[in-house]
Amino acid sequence: AQSVTQLGSHVSVSEGALVLLRCNYSSSVPPYLFWYVQYPNQGLQLLLKYTSAATLVKGINGFEAEFKKSETSFHLTKPSAHMSDAAEYFCAVIMNSGYSTLTFGKGTMLLVSP
Amino acid sequence: DTGVSQNPRHKITKRGQNVTFRCDPISEHNRLYWYRQTLGQGPEFLTYFQNEAQLEKSRLLSDRFSAERPKGSFSTLEIQRTEQGDSAMYLCASRRKGQGSYEQYFGPGTRLTVT
Repeated sequence: AQSVTQLGSHVSVSEGALVLLRCNYSSSVPPYLFWYVQYPNQGLQLLLKYTSAATLVKGINGFEAEFKKSETSFHLTKPSAHMSDAAEYFCAVIMNSGYSTLTFGKGTMLLVSP
Repeated sequence: DTGVSQNPRHKITKRGQNVTFRCDPISEHNRLYWYRQTLGQGPEFLTYFQNEAQLEKSRLLSDRFSAERPKGSFSTLEIQRTEQGDSAMYLCASRRKGQGSYEQYFGPGTRLTVT
């Protein structure tokens, strides 16, 4: 069985502040992990992925995430928030086998204030 | 890549009617997924195609739902006798063939409202 937990349905930061969005997973085998971003009324855009290579993964728009096996975590960070980062962020996991269907967390809405 | 496209973008229908959505994946992608996203939730897997073969279906896919991918290119998702609980965003994603290519690319979705 596998599941994804995103702590905090809403996170508020000021422009220029650090962004930290939390994701924990449970998986019986080493997972592949992803972060996606969704803007209102749009589909999901891939931010970054972890597929068992480097544990610190860099993505688009200045985001990065670190895979920590001991903590079963894959938190998303960005050093300095921009107004355009306001969106909903989803963490997702797939098993390292099978048809690679994604299991998503419930999402975290990032709010950025000026 | 021209991206994954979905039509229509919005659909309003009355309870009991049938609806059909279309997904056109990225051209060289042989793998196609359908997901459903309800308000305040992450997307949930519905079904998976590899080429024209439907290889996996979620328990969420009741017998009122049917999906096809007749020539291994575009796919359709049909819902018969729609219910208010079917109101959701229906997302399509595609993935290229080959080992190590796990990224799924999503379309803009079709938002269904059942009145």
